[in-house]
Amino acid sequence: AQRVTQPEKLLSVFKGAPVELKCNYSYSGSPELFWYVQYSRQRLQLLLRHISRESIKGFTADLNKGETSFHLKKPFAQEEDSAMYYCALSYGNNRLAFGKGNQVVVIP
Amino acid sequence: ETGVTQSPTHLIKTRGQQVTLRCSSQSGHNTVSWYQQALGQGPQFIFQYYREEENGRGNFPPRFSGLQFPNYSSELNVNALELDDSALYLCASSLGGTAGGTGELFFGEGSRLTVL
Repeated sequence: AQRVTQPEKLLSVFKGAPVELKCNYSYSGSPELFWYVQYSRQRLQLLLRHISRESIKGFTADLNKGETSFHLKKPFAQEEDSAMYYCALSYGNNRLAFGKGNQVVVIP
Repeated sequence: ETGVTQSPTHLIKTRGQQVTLRCSSQSGHNTVSWYQQALGQGPQFIFQYYREEENGRGNFPPRFSGLQFPNYSSELNVNALELDDSALYLCASSLGGTAGGTGELFFGEGSRLTVL
């Protein structure tokens, strides 16, 4: 069975400091990993996917199959990055298994 | 482009009752998935509908059932409600189904169900 683990529930960082959200997964197939984000009073939306290998809003994430990880990173946090972040694993046909989420608070 | 809309936004039921939640998919999307999000948890996959057929189901009992209509809108029905069914129910639409898909889901704002 597929499983996604996000260990820290709440992460507080100062503006301009680096942010790293950890995500580990367990899956017997070929993994497709995503980060979804939910800003205050907005709906859940896709932030980035590993297959795209792109930086979105300054965030990057690298899939490490050896460590079964897909950590999300940003070198300099901005106030607008305050949000709930969910790591998700696709196990076929757009079915996603989500982690419990990380609440990020950026302190001005 | 019309986004995913869900109704009702909030509702309160008592144990043993039945509830129907509704979802209109984003324009052009043929696949609808339902997720349950309990407080403090991530969304959990309930089931998916593609072209009016169930196309995958998570670890939920048969009292959770659904429908998809020819216009791709969908309903989630829950019978014999239990206290643990209290949660935010999210609908998400996408392009894909058996064709695979990109993994990008477009979510509605959810229906918050409270079971007393």
